[in-house]
Amino acid sequence: GQQVMQIPQYQHVQEGEDFTTYCNSSTTLSNIQWYKQRPGGHPVFLIQLVKSGEVKKQKRLTFQFGEAKKNSSLHITATQTTDVGTYFCARNSGGSNYKLTFGKGTLLTVNP
Amino acid sequence: DAGVIQSPRHEVTEMGQEVTLRCKPISGHNSLFWYRQTMMRGLELLIYFNNNVPIDDSGMPEDRFSAKMPNASFSTLKIQPSEPRDSAVYFCASSLTDHGYTFGSGTRLTVV
Repeated sequence: GQQVMQIPQYQHVQEGEDFTTYCNSSTTLSNIQWYKQRPGGHPVFLIQLVKSGEVKKQKRLTFQFGEAKKNSSLHITATQTTDVGTYFCARNSGGSNYKLTFGKGTLLTVNP
Repeated sequence: DAGVIQSPRHEVTEMGQEVTLRCKPISGHNSLFWYRQTMMRGLELLIYFNNNVPIDDSGMPEDRFSAKMPNASFSTLKIQPSEPRDSAVYFCASSLTDHGYTFGSGTRLTVV
């Protein structure tokens, strides 16, 4: 299936610093979803972006969908130790076959 | 709602043995997914059911893997015979079409 590429693979920050992870596709996305997985846990749905140029906020998290619908980003302002985990983006196959293909994720660690 | 329920949480088995993983999706969700997660390959979709019917099993590694969904409340993933390379965390997830997934806590399988 078609992949989504995530960068960086790892990011280590000091508590209070900002963090951004990027998700890129070579083809146009119908929508993009973001998930967070804590160490030893399971992926938890964060948000879905559908519209070109869409920006959504959840407290300190800001999600963007590119104008061309080929990329997306997740930005965390003033990281906290509770933000530790792996952040995945996932693309929908589109059409009638509704399945998600996940990126490899960005592992965020936060130094208190 | 108790969420997606998977059992067992951990399974250790000997090579060649049959392994059965179980999943109870969220009531009312019409789609069910089995994923496998490893460090090397990330989250891989194995099979996807919609309204209890298998829609896409292209991710099932080989004939040793089979999955069933006899009703809307229950699904199984069976590996027979199991091999050490099958060791991974297996997640079940459910959703309404075109919505975010809700993942279970996963089954950590170790084949020795």
